[in-house]
Amino acid sequence: KQEVTQIPAALSVPEGENLVLNCSFTDSAIYNLQWFRQDPGKGLTSLLLIQSSQREQTSGRLNASLDKSSGRSTLYIAASQPGDSATYLCAVRTSGSRLTFGEGTQLTVNP
Amino acid sequence: NAGVTQTPKFRVLKTGQSMTLLCAQDMNHEYMYWYRQDPGMGLRLIHYSVGEGTTAKGEVPDGYNVSRLKKQNFLLGLESAAPSQTSVYFCASQSGGSNQPQHFGDGTRLSIL
Repeated sequence: KQEVTQIPAALSVPEGENLVLNCSFTDSAIYNLQWFRQDPGKGLTSLLLIQSSQREQTSGRLNASLDKSSGRSTLYIAASQPGDSATYLCAVRTSGSRLTFGEGTQLTVNP
Repeated sequence: NAGVTQTPKFRVLKTGQSMTLLCAQDMNHEYMYWYRQDPGMGLRLIHYSVGEGTTAKGEVPDGYNVSRLKKQNFLLGLESAAPSQTSVYFCASQSGGSNQPQHFGDGTRLSIL
């Protein structure tokens, strides 16, 4: 059974700092890995999707990497802003159309 | 630009009552999903559908039923609500193909007393 772990569970940083969020998964036979953002009381917003054949994806200040063989992904946020404060979740697709989610990292960026 | 719309947004039920949660998407997506999100448990898949008229069980299907009579709608039913079903329920949709992102609604907050 696929298990997804995100470390740390919570992170607080000053504005302007570069930061890395970590995601690990137990079954390396994945189709893709997706990073989401969730704001309080809201649904999930897809940030980046990395296919199993890719090593990284970039969108603006966000960069996600994937090392399928070691079961790891990182989300790098450059020059963090208070508006980046949210919970970040990673999810992997291992079979059919089903995703397995981690519990998320709650990020706070302090002005 | 509605995307995925869930109704209702909030609901309080008594144990044993029944209700239906509605999910509607306007993106012509083939796949639709129902998740529940609980503290310390993350998001868990309840049921999903890969097309109109089809449904399948996810990780935690017990106590729930679903229907996909129209492509744009996916209904989640609780026949006899239990306090353990107190949760935030999210619907998601996705176009066909395993490398497409899922799009989520804003959730339904359900409390069972």
